[in-house]
This record gives sequence, structure tokens and C-alpha cells, in this order.
Amino acid sequence: KAGVTQTPRYLIKTRGQQVTLSCSPISGHRSVSWYQQTPGQGLQFLFEYFSETQRNKGNFPGRFSGRQFSNSRSEMNVSTLELGDSALYLCASSFEAGAGTEAFFGQGTRLTVV
Amino acid sequence: AQSVTQLDSQVPVFEEAPVELRCNYSSSVSVYLFWYVQYPNQGLQLLLKYLSGSTLVKGINGFEAEFNKSQTSFHLRKPSVHISDTAEYFCAGVNTGTASKLTFGTGTRLQVTL
Repeated sequence: KAGVTQTPRYLIKTRGQQVTLSCSPISGHRSVSWYQQTPGQGLQFLFEYFSETQRNKGNFPGRFSGRQFSNSRSEMNVSTLELGDSALYLCASSFEAGAGTEAFFGQGTRLTVV
Repeated sequence: AQSVTQLDSQVPVFEEAPVELRCNYSSSVSVYLFWYVQYPNQGLQLLLKYLSGSTLVKGINGFEAEFNKSQTSFHLRKPSVHISDTAEYFCAGVNTGTASKLTFGTGTRLQVTL
């Protein structure tokens, strides 16, 4: 079956702009989590959605937001982009939202802010 | 609070040699532990996980890890590495009973050479 699909794979934006990233989970998976990966900070949790509800949120400013649709697809939005937002954004889907449930990761969206 | 420490940022090793990648965790509650691998320009792939039961966990690609509660460690081992094992390896943990928020270590770059 198809894996986790993230679009677009690469994105270049200018400071001050906003961006929307998309994640389509594995069919049947209802939990979607987002992570930011940078060389300096490593992998950091952004948020988790399950059945269209945000269950958990990481320590990021309010410029970072997300949502999940009824078909479990998820989007994350970053407004007023800063240079430091340049990162690989990874989406992971799970069948359910339990702590031991295996998370399947997409290939990520590489965002570059110039 | 949960934290995961990977003691080595880089591990060089010759092909067919054994390797151990170290991971320590700290938590006041029970945890689930995971090892992920990331190849260049790819997402994360689960190698193995410890939820409960046997402390020796076997994963894909010949990797295994041992959960040691007294030393709060979850080191990853492989008896004989291949060039194709060159990648970044991440140890991650999550508190049991919580949502699926993974806390990642900073990663270990495994470089396998001839």
C-alpha cells in the first residue's frame, strides 16, 4: 500500500511569506504528527492530530499551525516565515494515537526561506 | 520530562566489523523506545522498538538492541555492517500512556568504509 505522501518535496519562500505543507497518511491511519528537522536543533515535535483534533502540541510559536481533515489528510501552515524556519518538515502517520503505535514517516518537505 | 541522549555524533567503522550505537534515556515514568534510520534525503524508517517483554529486541536489516533499565540504556548493535548501512540513526522515546509524541536524540552518523 502507498506510504505517507508529503507535498511538495521542495519549497523556496521569502521571509515574511506564509507556506502550507500537505501530508497524506497511509490509508486507514487516523493519527498524523509533524516534526521539524534542522542541523542545529535536530528533530522536534510540532503537533499531533487524531480524528481532526489536535491532541498534542510542541513548543513552537503560534506562527506554526496545523489541521486535519475528515479523510485524515493534514496540513501545516507557517505564517510570517523567518530564516530560521528553513528545515526538513516530516510528517508521520499511525493507525491510532497510542504511545507504542508505530509511526510511518514521509520523505519530508524541504523548506528553504531566503 | 523525557529526554534521549545519543553519546556519539559520528561512528566510523569498516565493512563487516561489528558496531554499537549508544543511546541513554532519562524519565521518571515508563517509556517505549525506538531506533530509526534516515538515509540521505529520505524520511525516517523504523528499525526496531521496545514496548515491553524481552529486553533484547531484534529489528530489520540485522540490527538488534538491548533495553537496560538499570543503566537506562537502549544501545543498537549489528554484528557485521555493510556499506549500505551508512546513514543517520536516531534513538527516540515516548512516555507510555501518553500521545504519540516522540522525543528524539540528536542522531549518530554511521559511516561504513571498505
